[in-house]
Amino acid sequence: DGGITQSPKYLFRKEGQNVTLSCEQNLNHDAMYWYRQDPGQGLRLIYYSQIVNDFQKGDIAEGYSVSREKKESFPLTVTSAQKNPTAFYLCASMRQSNQPQHFGDGTRLSIL
Amino acid sequence: GQQVMQIPQYQHVQEGEDFTTYCNSSTTLSNIQWYKQRPGGHPVFLIQLVKSGEVKKQKRLTFQFGEAKKNSSLHITATQTTDVGTYFCADEGTSYGKLTFGQGTILTVHP
Repeated sequence: DGGITQSPKYLFRKEGQNVTLSCEQNLNHDAMYWYRQDPGQGLRLIYYSQIVNDFQKGDIAEGYSVSREKKESFPLTVTSAQKNPTAFYLCASMRQSNQPQHFGDGTRLSIL
Repeated sequence: GQQVMQIPQYQHVQEGEDFTTYCNSSTTLSNIQWYKQRPGGHPVFLIQLVKSGEVKKQKRLTFQFGEAKKNSSLHITATQTTDVGTYFCADEGTSYGKLTFGQGTILTVHP
């Protein structure tokens, strides 16, 4: 069954700690995306990657980092530099331009 | 940068009433995609509009793209409780593969 898998579903971070959110897709899509969603808000783009070993900053990249070593995987690290990391994080993929984006179920990150 | 404005932010309706959300941009939209996000869920693609003046229907949902390609709308006829959720519009603009999302309209349907 093709799709996007995000893990974990819930994640708690201590102050000063880096955490990594996993995103894996088996749709054979070239492009992958990370969004942040705050309660009652829209989706804000953090990072995106259109091809393996390449990625670009989105609108709110500060305090985050990514890698794209494999086509299937696009992990997001929330660093200690991100002072307000509590949010719902969504990963998405897309086959090519002007095509729909497919989303994972998301990861809810909270600060302890 | 490109901005996509969506109104209203919230809409409460009684079951059976109609609902419309509007998506506006100061620049020409390349194509509009509409997504629905159920409470606690993730956005799910509904439809894409590409042509000026295009109208598409999905059962009780009607999607329109403005003649000048600067606005779009989603209309739901006779809402049901299953229509509850947040409806987003998104446009790729001139940024290949990068969508700009509107802030969404949160629809509540009272039985």
